[in-house]
Amino acid sequence: GAVVSQHPSWVICKSGTSVKIECRSLDFQATTMFWYRQFPKQSLMLMATSNEGSKATYEQGVEKDKFLINHASLTLSTLTVTSAHPEDSSFYICSAHEGPSSYEQYFGPGTRLTVT
Amino acid sequence: AQTVTQSQPEMSVQEAETVTLSCTYDTSESNYYLFWYKQPPSRQMILVIRQEAYKQQNATENRFSVNFQKAAKSFSLKISDSQLGDTAMYFCAFMKGGSQGNLIFGKGTKLSVKP
Repeated sequence: GAVVSQHPSWVICKSGTSVKIECRSLDFQATTMFWYRQFPKQSLMLMATSNEGSKATYEQGVEKDKFLINHASLTLSTLTVTSAHPEDSSFYICSAHEGPSSYEQYFGPGTRLTVT
Repeated sequence: AQTVTQSQPEMSVQEAETVTLSCTYDTSESNYYLFWYKQPPSRQMILVIRQEAYKQQNATENRFSVNFQKAAKSFSLKISDSQLGDTAMYFCAFMKGGSQGNLIFGKGTKLSVKP
């Protein structure tokens, strides 16, 4: 099956610093990648949708200047949390979609971010 | 706009028994897909089963089967012969056909399988 990796799997950073999370599709090309945020015991909340070579589309209420998304190639998307604060601590999950003819999303294992 | 509702926040079942998780959805689309995802304590999202809306036959994957009632917009998941490894959060999800692939998730049901 298709594999999506995320790096790092967990990260601790100090308040005010920035942290970058990578999402890679290992054995397929992802036309679209998605970034989700998940709070404890809650569902996945879609943050943004990114297409290769174009600007990401952010969901309402998500600060695009804080959560920078770059989809540089068909196999790599990055999420950068800028000037992180403790309230940004969360579990971030990416997923990848092959294209309109596909009905499946492949999920990465997630990244736990803790901001101290 | 599409919505997905899971009305059971938590459920429990004895090992080897059968349990059904409920999901209803609302959409005006005719071409769509429905999914059940499992999220174990590792938090890796795992696809359990999917159903294409145009297919009348209910999807089945080993011990997992769905009851897809299109007119009622209901999509329940039945787990037979429950195993301890089935303990997880289960999310019902909707995807519009031909879209970028955006998934709309329900709030989830926490299933505990007891020995």
